[in-house]
Amino acid sequence: QLQLQESGPGLVKPSETLSLTCTVSGGSISSSSYYWGWIRQPPGKGLEWIGSIYYSGSTYYNPSLKSRVTISVDTSKNQFSLKLSSVTAADTAVYYCARLVVVVMEAFDIWGQGTMVTVSS
Amino acid sequence: QSALTQPASVSGSPGQSITISCTGTSSDVGGYNYVSWYQQHPGKAPKLMIYEVSNRPSGVSNRFSGSKSGNTASLTISGLQAEDEADYYCSSYTSSSTFIFGTGTKVTVL
Repeated sequence: QLQLQESGPGLVKPSETLSLTCTVSGGSISSSSYYWGWIRQPPGKGLEWIGSIYYSGSTYYNPSLKSRVTISVDTSKNQFSLKLSSVTAADTAVYYCARLVVVVMEAFDIWGQGTMVTVSS
Repeated sequence: QSALTQPASVSGSPGQSITISCTGTSSDVGGYNYVSWYQQHPGKAPKLMIYEVSNRPSGVSNRFSGSKSGNTASLTISGLQAEDEADYYCSSYTSSSTFIFGTGTKVTVL
């Protein structure tokens, strides 16, 4: 079955760029029925949608993060990635990647296990 | 965009029914039937429980049901069980083609 796995550094220094990759296995990222998204959760807090990408490269971003976020896709590797620039301690969170079913559901039906990213010097 | 509003906590005894509300605006919850609900146990990734207001994915117990009235969506858990103790989040598609989550509700089984 389809699985998603996040990977990337667990520690990032303030003002630097956070970079994460989500690898999709058990299915193709190049499906017309899905977008692929990033969601984060600061320790002890709620979920925040960061943005989503289609296999063609079309993107949608959270307006509050848009100036710092870039999401890209590499269909040859069945991966999509997140870059968040100028990070601060407020960006410390568990970062999840997830599959977004569009047209029918408009919901995130499959999630990765999440990866903790700490912003600290 | 501000988070959808949920009660911080809801509790109930085993076997009882509880309802969690999720209040938004006409630009999100009230404007689309794209409200979903997620269950999250401690240290785990969220799990989709309800999509399109009231539909259950395959494998989700029929004790979970969803509804919507105006700008407020609701999740009802009937026949409450110990395993239902978790955090629950609503989410909605918005008029800006973005997604927004709720503030989250901690469900306690007494």
